[in-house]
Amino acid sequence: AQSVTQLDSQVPVFEEAPVELRCNYSSSVSVYLFWYVQYPNQGLQLLLKYLSGSTLVKGINGFEAEFNKSQTSFHLRKPSVHISDTAEYFCAVSDQTGANNLFFGTGTRLTVIP
Amino acid sequence: EAGVVQSPRYKIIEKKQPVAFWCNPISGHNTLYWYRQNLGQGPELLIRYENEEAVDDSQLPKDRFSAERLKGVDSTLKIQPAELGDSAVYLCASSLEGRGGKLFFGSGTQLSVL
Repeated sequence: AQSVTQLDSQVPVFEEAPVELRCNYSSSVSVYLFWYVQYPNQGLQLLLKYLSGSTLVKGINGFEAEFNKSQTSFHLRKPSVHISDTAEYFCAVSDQTGANNLFFGTGTRLTVIP
Repeated sequence: EAGVVQSPRYKIIEKKQPVAFWCNPISGHNTLYWYRQNLGQGPELLIRYENEEAVDDSQLPKDRFSAERLKGVDSTLKIQPAELGDSAVYLCASSLEGRGGKLFFGSGTQLSVL
């Protein structure tokens, strides 16, 4: 079974400042890793995903994440945030060998302050 | 291209009443998921369909929940009877890809059981 831990439930940050949203996972098998974003009153959208290869993954809207196998982490970063980045961010994992079922963390609420 | 469509957007019912949610996935997406998202939590998988077959319903509370996906297109999730603890957002998602693939989510149905 897999599990995902997002240690920060809320992250306030000033506009144009950098941000890092933390994600750690636990699994007995190899996993794929994802970050999804949920804007107010919208469905979840995929930001980026790690399947294999380069551990640094770039996604939409200037976000990137780095897979660290030894630390079982997949932290999300953006060098300069905008007001429009205010949203809920979810880290998720799925089993590489099983079905494409996603297991989500509890989410991190990013609030960008003008 | 139309996204995943869910209805209704909101539903308020009294406990012990039945309720149904409807989902129309993106055209051509064979895989359909129902997730439940409790307040302050990440989505949790209830059931996954491959075409019209429910291939993973291990997390579906079968005493009161049922789902169907006739003809392998749209799907209905039903609760009968509803309990106070069923208050949550019910999300539908669809996917065209296999393992590691992107899920497309609807905006969800927010259920309040009074």
